[in-house]
Amino acid sequence: GAVVSQHPSWVICKSGTSVKIECRSLDFQATTMFWYRQFPKQSLMLMATSNEGSKATYEQGVEKDKFLINHASLTLSTLTVTSAHPEDSSFYICSARVAGSEQYFGPGTRLTVT
Amino acid sequence: AQSVTQPDIHITVSEGASLELRCNYSYGATPYLFWYVQSPGQGLQLLLKYFSGDTLVQGIKGFEAEFKRSQSSFNLRKPSVHWSDAAEYFCAGDNNNDMRFGAGTRLTVKP
Repeated sequence: GAVVSQHPSWVICKSGTSVKIECRSLDFQATTMFWYRQFPKQSLMLMATSNEGSKATYEQGVEKDKFLINHASLTLSTLTVTSAHPEDSSFYICSARVAGSEQYFGPGTRLTVT
Repeated sequence: AQSVTQPDIHITVSEGASLELRCNYSYGATPYLFWYVQSPGQGLQLLLKYFSGDTLVQGIKGFEAEFKRSQSSFNLRKPSVHWSDAAEYFCAGDNNNDMRFGAGTRLTVKP
């Protein structure tokens, strides 16, 4: 149980275009979902926290107009990287939790912007 | 500020030797504590977690960790390392939706 999926697992896009990453909790309903970014050989950094039906809360330094988060249902959150640039290339990991439990992590999405 | 510290960036051990990876936390209250392992290009795999109760926690793949409140530590141990244990290890603390990761410790296993 407690499986979180991400799609796609790997995406390449051209600079200036937008890309959407999906995060789904497959066998539970997540009250809260989280998005992390991980640069090569670095740790995970929290980008934003979102609750279903509410606006996401972004960490300091994360541009909310560039990283659009939509938490449309209790099983789906999406991260859209708008007008992507090469410096946005990174490994993006989502997680989901039910209130009072731990976070369950997705397998990650590798974004390469050319 | 809440934080998790892993003092060792890189550790090398011989196969069959014992292993201890250090983790210290700084939180107002004791957070939930976790150890994850990550292979290159892969997601996180949970090794073990501590919420409360017994301070010695058993995990998967023969790993264990001991919570020591007096030292604000949650060190990961394994009595005999296998070559397949080579990976990046992350300690994390979670307090009320505020999850912080340590910088990670890269484990190299010598044959």
